[in-house]
Amino acid sequence: TQLLEQSPQFLSIQEGENLTVYCNSSSVFSSLQWYRQEPGEGPVLLVTVVTGGEVKKLKRLTFQFGDARKDSSLHITAAQPGDTGLYLCAGTGYSTLTFGKGTMLLVSP
Amino acid sequence: DADVTQTPRNRITKTGKRIMLECSQTKGHDRMYWYRQDPGLGLRLIYYSFDVKDINKGEISDGYSVSRQAQAKFSLSLESAIPNQTALYFCATSDFTGGGVTQYFGPGTRLLVL
Repeated sequence: TQLLEQSPQFLSIQEGENLTVYCNSSSVFSSLQWYRQEPGEGPVLLVTVVTGGEVKKLKRLTFQFGDARKDSSLHITAAQPGDTGLYLCAGTGYSTLTFGKGTMLLVSP
Repeated sequence: DADVTQTPRNRITKTGKRIMLECSQTKGHDRMYWYRQDPGLGLRLIYYSFDVKDINKGEISDGYSVSRQAQAKFSLSLESAIPNQTALYFCATSDFTGGGVTQYFGPGTRLLVL
């Protein structure tokens, strides 16, 4: 069974701070995805990273895929209250996804 | 209008009752999924379907059954609900790109089994 470990489990910061969350696995995935889930809603895809070493930017969010395609990180610059939510990483297979347990981020004004 | 809808959004039931959660989609995807989400356990796959004639068990299918009535409809049943099935349930659809499976989630059904 492929497992994805996310850290930290919970992060509470002030508006304007920077943060990084991590997603690690002992298995290689063909690609890795990051989703954000807001309270009362389903997860929404933020990004897919495919190539080892790949870096993608989405406004203030920077996603990196490890060279060995086993790990990934999400860095948020100057966090805002609107960034509050559960961040989930997921390793992709042909037919299903394997989700990590998520990092709950709370950004206070 | 939402692409993936779930009904009901909230449900309270008693132990031993049979209940059905319904999911409809307008995205035209063949693949549909049911997950449950529990605090500290993340999203776990219950069942998935690639088309109306294809049903597959996920990692936690015991105590659940599904029906794919049409390409757009995928329902989840709890034959005899028990308290540890209290959870948030999500339906999802997916397409397949070169980068792998991308999933589109419904808003969820919050289920409480007393």
